[in-house]
Amino acid sequence: DAGVIQSPRHEVTEMGQEVTLRCKPISGHDYLFWYRQTMMRGLELLIYFNNNVPIDDSGMPEDRFSAKMPNASFSTLKIQPSEPRDSAVYFCASSGLAGDGYNEQFFGPGTRLTVL
Amino acid sequence: SQQGEEDPQALSIQEGENATMNCSYKTSINNLQWYRQNSGRGLVHLILIRSNEREKHSGRLRVTLDTSKKSSSLLITASRAADTASYFCATDYYTGRRALTFGSGTRLQVQP
Repeated sequence: DAGVIQSPRHEVTEMGQEVTLRCKPISGHDYLFWYRQTMMRGLELLIYFNNNVPIDDSGMPEDRFSAKMPNASFSTLKIQPSEPRDSAVYFCASSGLAGDGYNEQFFGPGTRLTVL
Repeated sequence: SQQGEEDPQALSIQEGENATMNCSYKTSINNLQWYRQNSGRGLVHLILIRSNEREKHSGRLRVTLDTSKKSSSLLITASRAADTASYFCATDYYTGRRALTFGSGTRLQVQP
């Protein structure tokens, strides 16, 4: 398996533009997580899905952020309109429910977003 | 915030020495996990310890868990330059949520 795949790896955009980040989880995993990492706030959970259904989006900063998972192999995180304070590294992770109920998460390489 | 706290924030040691990182958390947990992040990369799972376990080993890694003190430690023995990375603890809180809450991390520098 290729692991969790994210695209693009780097994105530079101007304030006000729409940004779409993409993620392909590991095949067979039924949980997908979106995180944001900054120096100031560390690693923050934004939203997570189970079987393509959003379970907890309490970490989504505001209405400018939205996430979808149309099928088991694809998810997007969209920021519209983007602002400089959205600059961060965005990680996607996936996990499968182990037989004993404990979850190890597999992270993608991240998308480094810079909003000018 | 239920985020765990790691200490020290940064640690610099010589190759061959042992490195110990600590993690404290706030509420009851199902399990605690440790992850490593190399610069510019995603996090990689290292080891998981369940709430009913006190110690676990994996290669040069030793993890302890003290649920009475709500703390865990990660020991890397005989460190190598390749161990240079940030290390994060992550807790699976006993709320039915499947998401992990990550600590602030310890930056480890192993000097060759």
